[in-house]
Amino acid sequence: DGGITQSPKYLFRKEGQNVTLSCEQNLNHDAMYWYRQDPGQGLRLIYYSQIVNDFQKGDIAEGYSVSREKKESFPLTVTSAQKNPTAFYLCASRTSGDNEQFFGPGTRLTVL
Amino acid sequence: GEDVEQSLFLSVREGDSSVINCTYTDSSSTYLYWYKQEPGAGLQLLTYIFSNMDMKQDQRLTVLLNKKDKHLSLRIADTQTGDSAIYFCAESRGRGSQGNLIFGKGTKLSVKP
Repeated sequence: DGGITQSPKYLFRKEGQNVTLSCEQNLNHDAMYWYRQDPGQGLRLIYYSQIVNDFQKGDIAEGYSVSREKKESFPLTVTSAQKNPTAFYLCASRTSGDNEQFFGPGTRLTVL
Repeated sequence: GEDVEQSLFLSVREGDSSVINCTYTDSSSTYLYWYKQEPGAGLQLLTYIFSNMDMKQDQRLTVLLNKKDKHLSLRIADTQTGDSAIYFCAESRGRGSQGNLIFGKGTKLSVKP
């Protein structure tokens, strides 16, 4: 089955620790995205990557970092610099030439 | 103001029609989308409409687009309890945007039996 996987589904971390969220896709999509979702806030774009070894900041990139070493993978690191990291994080991907984005199931991060 | 605006809540009775409204700002958007999110899950594409269309129907779903007013609506006929979810409207940015989507804050649809 083709799709996007995010792991883990729930993640707990202590304040001050960095944490990396996984996103993998086997759809052969070129572009990948990370969004953050807070209640009543909709989706806000953190980072996106149009192609391997390239990525751009979205609207709320501060306190986050990404890498795109492989086409299938786009991990997101939530650093200790992120002031309020507790949220639901969604990864998405898209094939070039098409605007439709396919979403993973999300990771709920709770920082204690 | 917001790029894409939606009301936050809608409550309907089972069997009634639901209409979820959305306004957007980028007149060069080529596609407009409706996504559905069930609790604790990712977003699932429901339907989309190309900007040169006025209406698109897909089974119980009808999308209406008023490009002049930049208004998009999603009508769900014969709403069922399984339709309870958050519905997001999204617009694609204009040309040269590399396919980024701008999402509204989502409308939470509650269906009462």
